[in-house]
This record gives sequence, C-alpha cells and structure tokens, in this order.
Amino acid sequence: EVQLLESGGGLVQPGGSLRLSCGVSGFTFSTFAMSWVRQAPGKGLEWVSTIVASGTSTYYADSVKGRFTISRDNSKNTLYLQMNSLSPDDTAVYYCAKGVGYASSGALLWYFDYWGQGTLVTVSS
Amino acid sequence: EIVLTQSPGTLSLSPGERATLSCRASQSVSSNYLVWYQHKPGQAPRRLIYAASSRAPGIPDRFSGSGSGTDFTLTISRLEPEDFAVYYCQQYGSSPPPTFGQGTRVEIK
Repeated sequence: EVQLLESGGGLVQPGGSLRLSCGVSGFTFSTFAMSWVRQAPGKGLEWVSTIVASGTSTYYADSVKGRFTISRDNSKNTLYLQMNSLSPDDTAVYYCAKGVGYASSGALLWYFDYWGQGTLVTVSS
Repeated sequence: EIVLTQSPGTLSLSPGERATLSCRASQSVSSNYLVWYQHKPGQAPRRLIYAASSRAPGIPDRFSGSGSGTDFTLTISRLEPEDFAVYYCQQYGSSPPPTFGQGTRVEIK
C-alpha cells in the first residue's frame, strides 16, 4: 500500500523558515518524481515544486522561486521542502504527491497518483 | 500558463442524481493531458480520471471523463453519499507549471 506522510508544519512568524518532510512507503521512491502542492484556506490547489527521481532537476512555482528548496534523500525514502522568507501568503496545507512516471516519449508526466494528507503551515505574527 | 476554469462553482444535487462538471482551458491542452481529482476535507486528494477519459485503478465506473482541446467534462452517473466532495481538474500538457482549476463543490441538496 502506497503511503505518504507529511510532517514539520506549524506556526511560524513572517520572515521565518520551516522544513517540511514527507516519508513514503509502498513504492520504489527512487524511481519517481515527487512534488509539493498546497492549498491556502478557502482556496484551491496550487502546485509548488517538483523534483525528478534522481534529484538532479528541480522546478518551482514563480510564487516560491528563490525562497523554497525541494530536495530528497532516496536512501531514506524522504522528500523535503525547505521554506525560507515565509509570508502570510504561504499559509496553507502542504501536500506531498507522487508523480506517475514518464510518457512513452520520455517526457515527465506532471500529475499525481498518490497524495499525503497534508501538513498545515501557518505564517502569522 | 494554461488557466483552467471550472463550472459551476457549486452543484447541489441529491443522491442518485447525475452530476456534470465542466473544466474549460484558456488554450488547448496538449495530448488531452487532463486529470480529475476528488478531494474531501482532511483527506488526501484522490485521482479519478487521467488523460481526460481514462479511469484510474479502483475508481467506480459511475465516474467518467470526456472532452478534448479546451473543453472537458467529469460525469458522475448516479451520486452516492460518498461522492459529495470538491472536484478539481488539472492540466499536465503544458508543464511546468501544472495548473489546477478552482474546483467544483458537489453538495447534498
């Protein structure tokens, strides 16, 4: 059974930092791209960042570029999101999500077949 | 960036009724790379349909997807009590970034 479990959320002051983790089981972590998606209170889903299976390439939404860093430790089956310079606009539930793999062309398929239940990040003074 | 617009915002229906949800893209979605998710409060989103019309493993056949280009539809043929939730479409044909619609809430009438 595929499982994704986020941790590390909490209350942080504006300008502060937080690191989220996502531990996974039930699939070969090292062969799939992984992503973070967030949902602000009362809002819809917003893609945040993606890291390819090897960790050699990363992608970010414009709203977090330069402030957030995605990484992974394939030996520990864990995905991370380092969040710096946080603002109230970053308040959201953060989900980690497993990518589905690649198309026959070799292109990464940018959608998700399994998600965690999320961890809440609140940025407030 | 492709913008997805879902309608209606809220759909009020009774169990047993048919639900039709729309997702319109600001430009054509390459290869009809569109996915639908179901999301209930406090739970992980659940993939229902991918590539516009392919049902994900384990998804009941009352869920179906259709459409191409810029217009896509998710249909729930007969609503079950567990189907009342928020539904999101997401395109992955022009990524990054993958983009989501704003969601349609299906509520009990």
